[in-house]
Amino acid sequence: SQKIEQNSEALNIQEGKTATLTCNYTNYSPAYLQWYRQDPGRGPVFLLLIRENEKEKRKERLKVTFDTTLKQSLFHITASQPADSATYLCALRGGSYIPTFGRGTSLIVHP
Amino acid sequence: DVKVTQSSRYLVKRTGEKVFLECVQDMDHENMFWYRQDPGLGLRLIYFSYDVKMKEKGDIPEGYSVSREKKERFSLILESASTNQTSMYLCASSLTLRGAGEKLFFGSGTQLSVL
Repeated sequence: SQKIEQNSEALNIQEGKTATLTCNYTNYSPAYLQWYRQDPGRGPVFLLLIRENEKEKRKERLKVTFDTTLKQSLFHITASQPADSATYLCALRGGSYIPTFGRGTSLIVHP
Repeated sequence: DVKVTQSSRYLVKRTGEKVFLECVQDMDHENMFWYRQDPGLGLRLIYFSYDVKMKEKGDIPEGYSVSREKKERFSLILESASTNQTSMYLCASSLTLRGAGEKLFFGSGTQLSVL
């Protein structure tokens, strides 16, 4: 069956360090992969999209990689700040055209 | 920026009541979605609509129905609310499911409690 796996344990890091979040998937051949940020009590907000033929995408302090051989995407936040604390969701679009979401990983950046 | 507005942030209803959750988007998007989000279970798709009066079941449609009479508005209906429908409900829209506009824009959510 199709699965999207994100670390259920919160990631705790110190301010200024690079945060790396992982999204693994099985039984998908995704056309693209997206990352969203969700703050408590709010809806997710789109951050980045990376397509199957792209290896890496950057936006300001954010970087996403996509390895279709490993079936994995890594999401990096460099020079992390307490304001980056949130839950980060990955979403895959396969053949059905509807994005399916992972359960998200909570990031906590300590000052 | 696209705005997706959900009519209520918090709602408390009694078991057996008929509940309407309303969602409006202001950017002429083709597609609209209803998800529910529960701790440990993530976002699960209830229904989506790709055009006016068109709807498709998602992963968990049981106990729900939807209505899309106008392009900008997508309603989620709980015919007879039950306690296991207590959840955060999120509406989303997207320009298209193909091409460059695949990203979803979400509303702020409605936290529904069924007592």
